Amino acid sequence: DIQLTQSPSFLSASVGDRVTITCRASQGIGSHLAWYQQKPGKAPKLLIYAASTLQSGVPSRFSGSGSGTEFTLTISSLQPEDFATYYCQQLKSYPLTFGQGTRLEIK
Amino acid sequence: QVQLVQSGAEVKKPGASVKVSCKSSGYSLSSYYVHWVRQAPGHGLEWMGIINPSGDSTTYAQKFQGRVTVTRDTSTGTVYMELSSLRSEDTAIYYCARERSVDILGAKWFDPWGPGTLVTVSS
Repeated sequence: DIQLTQSPSFLSASVGDRVTITCRASQGIGSHLAWYQQKPGKAPKLLIYAASTLQSGVPSRFSGSGSGTEFTLTISSLQPEDFATYYCQQLKSYPLTFGQGTRLEIK
Repeated sequence: QVQLVQSGAEVKKPGASVKVSCKSSGYSLSSYYVHWVRQAPGHGLEWMGIINPSGDSTTYAQKFQGRVTVTRDTSTGTVYMELSSLRSEDTAIYYCARERSVDILGAKWFDPWGPGTLVTVSS
């Protein structure tokens, strides 16, 4: 199975900050990676697919990069509605797997 | 608006089975691969399995092999996930999600997700 390790697991930041979340895969997955945002009591919401393609309707302050084994999700200027938990997901091979999540909280 | 609709919350006793449904609103789910993902309280996301559009092929996570069955009613497009021999550790929110893809990139992703169905296993 492909393991995904996100760092950090917890992040405290302020509105307007630039934040970066890293997702490392235990083996190469090309660009077969997606990022999701989840708010309490809600289903995950797609932000980015194919490592760097922004889903339609997602604000441009979100961006993704990387390939192979190392990927990043960057939020260029945090907004109040961005405080949530973020997950990466590999779709290279079964079983599909998710990172453990990064909880982003207001400082 | 593209949405997935799931069946309501369930409370089951250990050893019982649960069957959760997932159907689409605003489009036909019949042409899509559908996945099931669960999330235990306070925990992360765990992929369970997938069914193809025609309903004749499934792939499951090894952890759930022998206990999970995903089926679909091709006449209605509704997809079902049945989990048997329930134990307390199966208490979780169960999500269905539609797979989207771009052939030229070989890229896949989940969008949308259903709202989730809470399954509580308790004696």
